[in-house]
Amino acid sequence: EVQLVESGGGLVQPGGSLRLSCAASGFTFSNYWMSWVRQAPGKGLEWVANIKQDGSEIYYVDSVKGRFTISRDNAKNSLYLQMNSLRAEDTAVYYCARDSPDYWGQGTLVTVSS
Amino acid sequence: QSVLTQPPSASGTPGQRVTISCSGSSSNIGSNTVNWYQQLPGTAPKFLIYSNDQRPSGVPDRFSGSKSGTSASLAISGLQSEDEADYYCAAWDGSLNGLVFGGGTKLTVL
Repeated sequence: EVQLVESGGGLVQPGGSLRLSCAASGFTFSNYWMSWVRQAPGKGLEWVANIKQDGSEIYYVDSVKGRFTISRDNAKNSLYLQMNSLRAEDTAVYYCARDSPDYWGQGTLVTVSS
Repeated sequence: QSVLTQPPSASGTPGQRVTISCSGSSSNIGSNTVNWYQQLPGTAPKFLIYSNDQRPSGVPDRFSGSKSGTSASLAISGLQSEDEADYYCAAWDGSLNGLVFGGGTKLTVL
């Protein structure tokens, strides 16, 4: 069974940093593109970034370029999102997702507030 | 303002057929396949339709998708109360080099 479990969310002040992690199991992690998708409270889905199987290709939505960094460790079956210079508008549930995306984690809430 | 355009709401009575539209452009729907997602309140999105009209295993055949040009549609037949949810379309955008979503359609079963 495919499982994606996010962690690392929480309350952070504007300008602060946070690192999200996603532990993957139930499939061969190194064979798939992986993504982060977020959803602000009461709003729709917004794709944030994705990364190729070997990390050689990475794409970001314009609003996070230069502030967020997606990475992966295939040996640990893990996906990461380093978030710096956080803003109030980054407040959202962040989902780890596989490929299309087809499978999604349950999400971790990031709240940026003073 | 989402890159893909969906109606904010849709409704129907049990047993009815409803359709949800998703409009894009040549850089997204016009040149890439469309996926659809169902999101029940308080839960993660669920993969509903992929490659325009394919259903993952476990998705009832009441759900169907189609695509024509730069638009796509999701149809739900035999509407049931448990279909009440938010529905999102998505496609890769070659100009933006990113995945784009529709703004979502809230389906109400009357």
